Amino acid sequence: GAVVSQHPSWVICKSGTSVKIECRSLDFQATTMFWYRQFPKQSLMLMATSNEGSKATYEQGVEKDKFLINHASLTLSTLTVTSAHPEDSSFYICSARDPWTGGAGNEQFFGPGTRLTVL
Amino acid sequence: QKEVEQDPGPLSVPEGAIVSLNCTYSNSAFQYFMWYRQYSRKGPELLMYTYSSGNKEDGRFTAQVDKSSKYISLFIRDSQPSDSATYLCAMSQAGTALIFGKGTTLSVSS
Repeated sequence: GAVVSQHPSWVICKSGTSVKIECRSLDFQATTMFWYRQFPKQSLMLMATSNEGSKATYEQGVEKDKFLINHASLTLSTLTVTSAHPEDSSFYICSARDPWTGGAGNEQFFGPGTRLTVL
Repeated sequence: QKEVEQDPGPLSVPEGAIVSLNCTYSNSAFQYFMWYRQYSRKGPELLMYTYSSGNKEDGRFTAQVDKSSKYISLFIRDSQPSDSATYLCAMSQAGTALIFGKGTTLSVSS
């Protein structure tokens, strides 16, 4: 199956600093990538949909100025958590849609996730 | 009513048991149905992918979709301790983001 990587896998930062998380599709080109957040024992909550070369679409309640998303190429999307605070501590997971697989390209492949801890 | 409902469990079974996991949904426009497995502190791994209604089998896993009842299932035969994980159902319309269930935590004891 398609491979999606994330970097870093784990980051600890001080309150008020910014953290950048990278999501890469390694063996396919992803026109669309998604960013999710998952709190302990909770399901994945979609934060935003990122389309290559255009602005991200944010879900209701997600601050676009706090969670900056850039999808500059077909294999890379980045999420920057600006001025992070302890309540932003969570597991951030990206996924990428492979448009060339079956089912009208609706399969999504997930990265391994990034655990963010804000002190 | 949430769009996708899934019993969070936990579900505990002995090794070799048949496991049945289920989700119900309210949006009749959903066409794509997926099951993901997620181990602790890892990203979800796609297990099964089904378009519209019907059954799909892959090894010990069988996915069923009943669109008339808005009900999907995942069956695991001959369950193994390595199957212990959280199983997430997910579904979408064409070209839209996935909507996930809460996930069911499964524990298979040897």
